[in-house]
Amino acid sequence: DQQVKQNSPSLSVQEGRISILNCDYTNSMFDYFLWYKKYPAEGPTFLISISSIKDKNEDGRFTVFLNKSAKHLSLHIVPSQPGDSAVYFCAASENSQGGSEKLVFGKGTKLTVNP
Amino acid sequence: ETGVTQTPRHLVMGMTNKKSLKCEQHLGHNAMYWYKQSAKKPLELMFVYSLEERVENNSVPSRFSPECPNSSHLFLHLHTLQPEDSALYLCASSPTGDFYGYTFGSGTRLTVV
Repeated sequence: DQQVKQNSPSLSVQEGRISILNCDYTNSMFDYFLWYKKYPAEGPTFLISISSIKDKNEDGRFTVFLNKSAKHLSLHIVPSQPGDSAVYFCAASENSQGGSEKLVFGKGTKLTVNP
Repeated sequence: ETGVTQTPRHLVMGMTNKKSLKCEQHLGHNAMYWYKQSAKKPLELMFVYSLEERVENNSVPSRFSPECPNSSHLFLHLHTLQPEDSALYLCASSPTGDFYGYTFGSGTRLTVV
């Protein structure tokens, strides 16, 4: 059973508009959430994160919102740019033991920003 | 280049072949990981090494055999694979206790014929 779910496999928006990517999780022990961006033929790269003690984290055009009661987080990109077109992965982790940070990933959402 | 290098980038192998995937990082990280990305599936964690010791094996079939000779190198030895093992295999590394430094390689696209 998937612990991290991205139910929209794809999203298409116009340049300049807002992109909203959603992610739901089932494990209430998750306390750290990350978004990764992946271009074709490249590995995922870290985009933005949020700890469970916060409900919002902003970095430039990217904002992540966390609703712990609903076990839901979202990534907002505004304004969207064609270069944002990529696959976005949501990931989550529990407070790890033993020094390794094990991430659980969703399936990803392919974002296309049209000029 | 992200600091984590994976070779080869592409690999086609028969079901009776033996091959190895290589991952190298010079970021000073203490933990290394193998992930598998199949079509329409989440990234799946396969193996975790922390300070060169395997700390997790997520019920991966024995036809996949990891090796971590030192903190900079990680291998995935492959033998008698099945066509359903065709996927993108991603290596990652991280400093212990630091999600911000979690860095992925570009992956090896494996096709089993």
